[in-house]
Amino acid sequence: QSALTQPASVSGSPGQSITISCTGTSSDVGGYNYVSWYQQHPGKPPKLIIYDVSNRPSGVSNRFSGSKSGNTASLTISGLQAEDEADYYCNSYTSSSTVVFGGGTKVTVL
Amino acid sequence: EVQLVQSGAEVKKPGESLKISCKGSGYRFTSYWIGWVRQMPGKGLEWMGIIYPDDSDTRYSPSFQGQVTISVDKSINTAYLQWSSLKASDTAMYYCARRRSGGSRFDSWGQGTLVTVSS
Repeated sequence: QSALTQPASVSGSPGQSITISCTGTSSDVGGYNYVSWYQQHPGKPPKLIIYDVSNRPSGVSNRFSGSKSGNTASLTISGLQAEDEADYYCNSYTSSSTVVFGGGTKVTVL
Repeated sequence: EVQLVQSGAEVKKPGESLKISCKGSGYRFTSYWIGWVRQMPGKGLEWMGIIYPDDSDTRYSPSFQGQVTISVDKSINTAYLQWSSLKASDTAMYYCARRRSGGSRFDSWGQGTLVTVSS
């Protein structure tokens, strides 16, 4: 199974909105509504911010939202803040009953 | 409070064996899958495999099948990741994380175990 495809980096100014894409195949992203997104700050474990494409865990800011169209899922961060500067990873359930991660996207707040 | 507490950092030589652990608390351990994720220095997350503590049902990523063994001792709420013969390329941070049922939602993560393999 190949890693899901994410852009290496995305940047934006405070207050702006940015979108990170996560492209897979019909055997993973396109085949199931089981895409999750994680935020990872340096030296810390990942933190779940979106699950099942568009659901937010309790306590996660509503500035984070998720969606999916075909084989591509997306994470949107609105009202970008300095604390949002981190690495972001998507993952998806697969037809082999395994899980695959994306390569990760570094978000820079200008 | 849900917690996954991993064993401490390890420094090993190539060819040595190793078993690291992940102990769950604050929830029903047998009702959640435990997955393992590798993060090599400066790199992204890689899903290694997952185990269901209740019946030890285990799935591996094709990339890690045969390279590692995932196991569990549900009597002490602990999952394990082990190597029989380490390589320098196994140097990485290893995380455990729990998943409720099918899907990709890992909602609680361990603090990570740094494994360094060097001669």
